[in-house]
Amino acid sequence: GEDVEQSLFLSVREGDSSVINCTYTDSSSTYLYWYKQEPGAGLQLLTYIFSNMDMKQDQRLTVLLNKKDKHLSLRIADTQTGDSAIYFCAENPSGGYNKLIFGAGTRLAVHP
Amino acid sequence: KAGVTQTPRYLIKTRGQQVTLSCSPISGHRSVSWYQQTPGQGLQFLFEYFSETQRNKGNFPGRFSGRQFSNSRSEMNVSTLELGDSALYLCASSLVPTPVNTEAFFGQGTRLTVV
Repeated sequence: GEDVEQSLFLSVREGDSSVINCTYTDSSSTYLYWYKQEPGAGLQLLTYIFSNMDMKQDQRLTVLLNKKDKHLSLRIADTQTGDSAIYFCAENPSGGYNKLIFGAGTRLAVHP
Repeated sequence: KAGVTQTPRYLIKTRGQQVTLSCSPISGHRSVSWYQQTPGQGLQFLFEYFSETQRNKGNFPGRFSGRQFSNSRSEMNVSTLELGDSALYLCASSLVPTPVNTEAFFGQGTRLTVV
């Protein structure tokens, strides 16, 4: 079946690294995504990784994919207060159809 | 380049009424998907349209429907509103959905409150 799981909360100190974890179930997912949602706003696409990759780096963001364990993580280096938001992991198990399956979201709180 | 535009941003409706929400995708994007976001159920896929055809549908009752016009703009309709339909409705657009690239960009959403 289709299911994406994430831990619900993460609290980090400003300047530290944040690591948000996600597990998914559908091994046919070609792409896996990370979205950010700030209060009262829509979803902002942060990054995505193709399923044949192990790692993708984009400035402060590093995505690691363990396809065997169906585990995805997002690392934010030098976390800032502006990074406080809800982060959603999503898979697209339908191939060419835009049907994203989202996790419940991880609320990241950054404190001084 | 303008992003995904959803109108209206906020709506208050009464139980039993119907509502129509609008989504204008990014220029050149031909695929539009709709999602419902609630505190209890999270983000759930409603349906996806491409070239005016519904290609995929989530597990929602028939009260939820949609359509796409020739200019790729999309509308979704909810009839006989229930209190549980109160949610943030998000629209996402993609260039051309293929297994190569399904990068979806979201609008700000329409916040629907049913009283």
